[in-house]
Amino acid sequence: QVQLQESGPRLVKPSETLSLTCTVSGGSITSSYWSWIRQPPGQGLEWIGYIDYTGSTNYNPSLKSRVTISQDTSKNQLFLKVSSVTAADTAVYYCARAEGHNDPFDYWGQGTLVTVSS
Amino acid sequence: DIVMTQSPDSLAVSLGERATINCKSSQSVLYRSNNKNYLAWYQQKPGQPPKLLIYWASTRESGVPDRFSGSGSGTDFTLTISSLQAGDVAVYYCQQSYTTPRTFGQGTKVEIK
Repeated sequence: QVQLQESGPRLVKPSETLSLTCTVSGGSITSSYWSWIRQPPGQGLEWIGYIDYTGSTNYNPSLKSRVTISQDTSKNQLFLKVSSVTAADTAVYYCARAEGHNDPFDYWGQGTLVTVSS
Repeated sequence: DIVMTQSPDSLAVSLGERATINCKSSQSVLYRSNNKNYLAWYQQKPGQPPKLLIYWASTRESGVPDRFSGSGSGTDFTLTISSLQAGDVAVYYCQQSYTTPRTFGQGTKVEIK
């Protein structure tokens, strides 16, 4: 059973960089596709991007200039960085797995709420 | 981007009655080489992450009750809950995995009448 757990600062100041970690257990990040998805309070879901088993990334063009997704295969961890944050980046951030490139998101972390505020 | 539009935004259904949610994509999500529709449905309860219910438009995820079914092809899809249970109160999302960026519908809130 694959399990994902997001972690990182819950409060980030405007203009700073949001940094989150997703720790994966029960499966290797050297297979499958690993996405970050966010959900502003009371709103819908927005796909941020993914990193695949080769380490290649694919980002949502709406966020591409500010987002970096990376991984540490030795620790089975994924990372998300969003730079120059504003209040609009306040959201619950999820990491999720898709087994294949066109597969759905079958495993999700519990999510972590990140608030952007001074 | 493929825009996913769900209807209605919310619906109230009596216990034991049928609930139907529609999802329309701005372009086809049918991959003709394998005849798969790259369309999934998720259920999200308050304070929880989305849970995969249906993928490839009509395939139920393991462990999902058979009162949940999906249908449709191309650009028009439907999620049906055949007999609504109290535990089905949630927001339901459709999502396409045909291309990037992956996109979701705006969600449909299902409540008990």
